[in-house]
Amino acid sequence: QSALTQPASVSGSPGQSITISCTGTSSDVGGYNYVSWYQQHPGKAPKLMISDVSNRPSGVSNRFSGSKSGNTASLTISGLQAEDEADYFCTSFTSTNTLVFGGGTKVTVL
Amino acid sequence: QVQLVQSGPEVKKPGASVKVSCKASGYAFTNYGITWVRQAPGQGLEWMGWISADYGNTNYAQRVQDRITMTTEKSTSTAYMELRRLRSDDTAVYYCARGAWWDPRDYWGQGTLVTVSS
Repeated sequence: QSALTQPASVSGSPGQSITISCTGTSSDVGGYNYVSWYQQHPGKAPKLMISDVSNRPSGVSNRFSGSKSGNTASLTISGLQAEDEADYFCTSFTSTNTLVFGGGTKVTVL
Repeated sequence: QVQLVQSGPEVKKPGASVKVSCKASGYAFTNYGITWVRQAPGQGLEWMGWISADYGNTNYAQRVQDRITMTTEKSTSTAYMELRRLRSDDTAVYYCARGAWWDPRDYWGQGTLVTVSS
């Protein structure tokens, strides 16, 4: 199973909105609504930000939102803040009952 | 509160085995599966496999399926991941996370650094 495709880096100024894409195939992203997004700060464990394409767990800021169209899922961060600077990974359940990760996107707040 | 606490760092020689533990608390252990993920230095996350905590059903990543075994011990709410015939490219931080199959991985352990070096 090939990794999902994410941009290596995305940047934005405080207060702006940014969107991170996550492209897979009909065997993963496009075939299931089981896409999750994780935030990871350096030296820390990943933190769940979005599950099942667009569900935001309790405690996660409503500035984070998720969506999907075809084989591409997206994470949008609105009102960008300094604390949002981190790596972001998408994942999807697959048709072979496995989990596939994206390569990760480094978000920089300018 | 839900917590997953992993065992400490390990240093192993090539060809050896390592067994990492993940002790769960704050929830009904058998109601959720456990996923294992690793992250090599400076790299992304790699799914290694998962196990159901109730019946012990597993599914492993093809890349490691001949070298890995995941188990659970219900009496102590602990999950284990053993990796055999270690190679230098197995050097990574290994994470356990609550949730398996299509469930979201909503709680994560703190990570265990496994270093493979001669």
